[in-house]
Formats: sequence, structure tokens, C-alpha cells
Amino acid sequence: DAKTTQPNSMESNEEEPVHLPCNHSTISGTDYIHWYRQLPSQGPEYVIHGLTSNVNNRMASLAIAEDRKSSTLILHRATLRDAAVYYCILRLAGNQFYFGTGTSLTVIP
Amino acid sequence: DGGITQSPKYLFRKEGQNVTLSCEQNLNHDAMYWYRQDPGQGLRLIYYSQIVNDFQKGDIAEGYSVSREKKESFPLTVTSAQKNPTAFYLCASSQRGLIGFGSDTQYFGPGTRLTVL
Repeated sequence: DAKTTQPNSMESNEEEPVHLPCNHSTISGTDYIHWYRQLPSQGPEYVIHGLTSNVNNRMASLAIAEDRKSSTLILHRATLRDAAVYYCILRLAGNQFYFGTGTSLTVIP
Repeated sequence: DGGITQSPKYLFRKEGQNVTLSCEQNLNHDAMYWYRQDPGQGLRLIYYSQIVNDFQKGDIAEGYSVSREKKESFPLTVTSAQKNPTAFYLCASSQRGLIGFGSDTQYFGPGTRLTVL
């Protein structure tokens, strides 16, 4: 199974950028990299996904290493509402999503 | 508004009772999923359905059952055979399902918290 490795927890000051790392050394050429986040007592929320190139959307940016063995989710200005558990997932066509324990992000006012 | 609804938000069950959790979507998605989440843990797949009248077991299907009679609905029954049913249950849907492309994204409902008394 394709797996990801993330730090258990991270802290950031409010209004500063946050870089959330993810290692996926077993990634194959057709695996998409997905990021979801989950606020307390809520369902996960889609953040962003990519295959090879860096991606930007209104929520975040996704930087993918050239060898695709790691990626970084970038929140450009952390707010208190960004405090959540962030999951990095590999999603292969014909396979399921695998959610690990993710990174718990604390935003300090 | 398009989305996924789950009901009830909180559910209490006595030991030995079956209980059914509701999940409805109006996104016109083909695939639907049920996950279980225990405190401090990630999500584990219980069942998924890629099309009406078809569903497959996930990693932890024992003690659970599902049906998919309509595209919009995917109810989950927690039976008395499930030894430790207290958990947070999440329903999700995606446009193409597991046979789709790797870019297919999932949309989640708000969850049902089940407690066995």
C-alpha cells in the first residue's frame, strides 16, 4: 500500500506562513497527492491535490518535489480557523484513499 | 445547496441493538463510502459502493451492513455483532469512485457520533 509520513503536530503563529511536510517515498507514477483537513468533530474537507506540478488554489499551495517522494502543503497566512488535522494521502485510480493520523496544526494567536 | 447530509448527529444505542445511520447526497455522485474514526486516529473504510445495487467491503466491514437502492442514499447498519461500535462515523461521496481517476476527490458529511451505553 502506498503510504505517507507526516509529523504528528506542528505549531504556527497567526498570520505567518505554514509549511506542512509529507513524505511518500513509495509513490508511483500515477499516484495523485491529495490533502484534506479535519476540524474538530467535523468531516474532512478537501484542500488540494496534484500529480507532478505545483498547484495553487484559494485555500493553499501544494509544492511537489521533483522526484515526487515528498510534498509540502503551504498555507500562506495561517488563521485561527486553519487549526485542524491535515492529512496527506496518495490516491491511485482503482484504489481507495488511505487516511493516516495526519498532522495536528495549532495556530497561536 | 449541494452536499452530503448525515443523521442523526448523535446516536445512543444499548448493547445488543442494531442501529441505522443515514447518509444522503444530492451531488449526483456515483460512489459513496462509509468510514469509522476512533479518537486520535485516522479514518478506516467500512464499506463503499461504486454504483446502485452494488457495494464492497472495506478494511473493517465485520459487524456492519449497507444497502444502495438509490443513487442518493447509502445507509449503514451497525449490528449487534460489532464488538466495539462507539465511534465517529463519516459518510463520503465522489464523482467517479474507485474505478475513476486518481484525481477524483471525496466530499464528506458532518458525521454521526455513535455511543453504546
